[in-house]
Amino acid sequence: DAMVIQNPRYQVTQFGKPVTLSCSQTLNHNVMYWYQQKSSQAPKLLFHYYDKDFNNEADTPDNFQSRRPNTSFCFLDIRSPGLGDAAMYLCATSRDQLGGSYNEQFFGPGTRLTVL
Amino acid sequence: GESVGLHLPTLSVQEGDNSIINCAYSNSASDYFIWYKQESGKGPQFIIDIRSNMDKRQGQRVTVLLNKTVKHLSLQIAATQPGDSAVYFCAEINQAGTALIFGKGTTLSVSS
Repeated sequence: DAMVIQNPRYQVTQFGKPVTLSCSQTLNHNVMYWYQQKSSQAPKLLFHYYDKDFNNEADTPDNFQSRRPNTSFCFLDIRSPGLGDAAMYLCATSRDQLGGSYNEQFFGPGTRLTVL
Repeated sequence: GESVGLHLPTLSVQEGDNSIINCAYSNSASDYFIWYKQESGKGPQFIIDIRSNMDKRQGQRVTVLLNKTVKHLSLQIAATQPGDSAVYFCAEINQAGTALIFGKGTTLSVSS
């Protein structure tokens, strides 16, 4: 089935140790998003790629970076994780941008990051 | 800003009852709204959407109502089932029209 896949589902890292979370999609969608969701809170957009164009949210810390080497894959890099970065990280895709005719966002199952 | 008193963080209902989950949105220019369901340990799942030129839209067992005057959105679930237990989020498109802004979630608990 076409879907959004996130690996790993659970990731443990140490304070300050760089970590990379992965997302892949078989939907061939143009847009890929990364959200951070802390416990009992709503998902918060970090950034998104429209094709190869990177769009960073104004309040996303510099500690968070992203790469999209091709249509199918998108990575979230946390350069120096702090305790406050422990959260669920959700990847989502949409066929096109949302401003015009709406394109539904499809979410992956998320990666739960623990920082020790 | 968000209307005080409309959002309930939790809602408990009996199986078979109708559920109403409320949400207030902030951007009066938003023209698209979506409700998502998030079960424990999973990503959000699309339930139903509505455009700003509508005030009501019905799906299977779900109805979304939009009141643009007070910037209020509601999700009605008919004959609520235990499988409906989850966190429900409303979302609106950001001002740039490029991504979603999620509202505060409501945890729905359905008891048999």
